[in-house]
Amino acid sequence: DIQMTQSPSSLSAFVGDRVTITCRASQSISSFLNWYQQKPGKAPKLLIYVASSLQSGVPSRFSGSGSGTDFTLTISSLQLEDFATYYCQQSYSIPFTFGPGTKVDIK
Amino acid sequence: EVQLVESGGGLVQPGGSLRLSCAASGITFSNYWMHWVRQAPGKGLVWVSRINSDASNTGYADSVKGRFTISRDNAKSTLYLLVNSLRAEDTATYYCATGYNHAMDVWGRGTTVTVSS
Repeated sequence: DIQMTQSPSSLSAFVGDRVTITCRASQSISSFLNWYQQKPGKAPKLLIYVASSLQSGVPSRFSGSGSGTDFTLTISSLQLEDFATYYCQQSYSIPFTFGPGTKVDIK
Repeated sequence: EVQLVESGGGLVQPGGSLRLSCAASGITFSNYWMHWVRQAPGKGLVWVSRINSDASNTGYADSVKGRFTISRDNAKSTLYLLVNSLRAEDTATYYCATGYNHAMDVWGRGTTVTVSS
């Protein structure tokens, strides 16, 4: 099975900050990497698919990059509504594993 | 508007069974691969199972293989997950999601399964 790790596990930031979250796969997954945002008590929401494609309706301050084993999610200017937990997920091979999550909260 | 609505969760004793359902609307259900993902209280997301559009191909997480069965009825636009031999560690909110562009792009609100005696 492919293992996914994320760093950091949590971070505190100000509104307006640039935030970067890293995701690493235990083996190459090409570009089959997705990013989700989840707020407490809510279902996850797809932000980025196949590493760098922005899901329809997602603000352009979110971007993704990477290929192979190393990926990043960047929020260019953090907004109040972005405080949430972010998960990466590989769709290269079954089982489609998620990372452990990165919680972003207010500094 | 695309909508997925899960149902069928509840309190069940260890060793028991449930059938979870996910009713889809606003999409041509038969065109989509579908997934189940679960989340234990206070924990992260765990992929459970996937089925292709015509139900000819399925996949499972190792932790549920042999105990859970995914299926679908395209005529009813409904996805199912039969969960057998339930354990305490299966306690979670179960989400269904559509598969598109190699991702899970539309999610339901989830149904909660609690395994306890």
